[in-house]
Amino acid sequence: DIQMTQSPSTLSASVGDRVTITCRASQSITTWLAWYQQKPGKAPKLLIYKASNLESGVPSRFSGSGSGTEFALTISSLQSDDFATYYCQQYNIFPYNFGQGTKLDLK
Amino acid sequence: QVQLQQSGPGLVKPSQTLSLTCVISGDTVSSNSAAWNWIRQSPSRGLEWLGRTYYRSKWYNDYAVSVKGRIIINPETSKNQFSLQMNSVTPEDTAVYYCVRRNFGDPDAFDIWGQGTMVTVSS
Repeated sequence: DIQMTQSPSTLSASVGDRVTITCRASQSITTWLAWYQQKPGKAPKLLIYKASNLESGVPSRFSGSGSGTEFALTISSLQSDDFATYYCQQYNIFPYNFGQGTKLDLK
Repeated sequence: QVQLQQSGPGLVKPSQTLSLTCVISGDTVSSNSAAWNWIRQSPSRGLEWLGRTYYRSKWYNDYAVSVKGRIIINPETSKNQFSLQMNSVTPEDTAVYYCVRRNFGDPDAFDIWGQGTMVTVSS
């Protein structure tokens, strides 16, 4: 199985900050990587697909980068609505594993 | 727009069968550009992909090794829905279960999620 490792597990930041979350795959997944945002009691919401493609309706302050085994999600200027938990997921090879999550909270 | 509506019991006894249903609106279960998945989430196991069903001239299924042999994902074309059956459940199967569309069009991703069903395995 491909292991997905996110860092950090928790990130404290302020409104307006630029933040980056990283995700490492245990083997190459080319660009078959997605990022999701999840708020308490809600289903994950797709933000980025195929590593760098912004899902329709997602604010442009979100961006994704990377290929192979190293990926990043960047939020260019944090808004209050962005405080949530973020997950990466590889969908190249079964099983389609997720990272353990990064909780973004208010400093 | 595409929506997935889940239903099923929230409490299942150990050793019994968990059964959930996901009704699709705005797409069809027999679409040639989608696959229909079940994913669960628990504090101990995180987000875990369980399996999928999809139609490409005939029906196919894929299951995670961790649950293979215990689960069946079935399409029901007359009702435009798909279901999850997991047998011999234990407390380790306590989780929020999601049905999810994997779109092979635009976006090429797991783009639509059901609302989630909290399932507790307990006597």
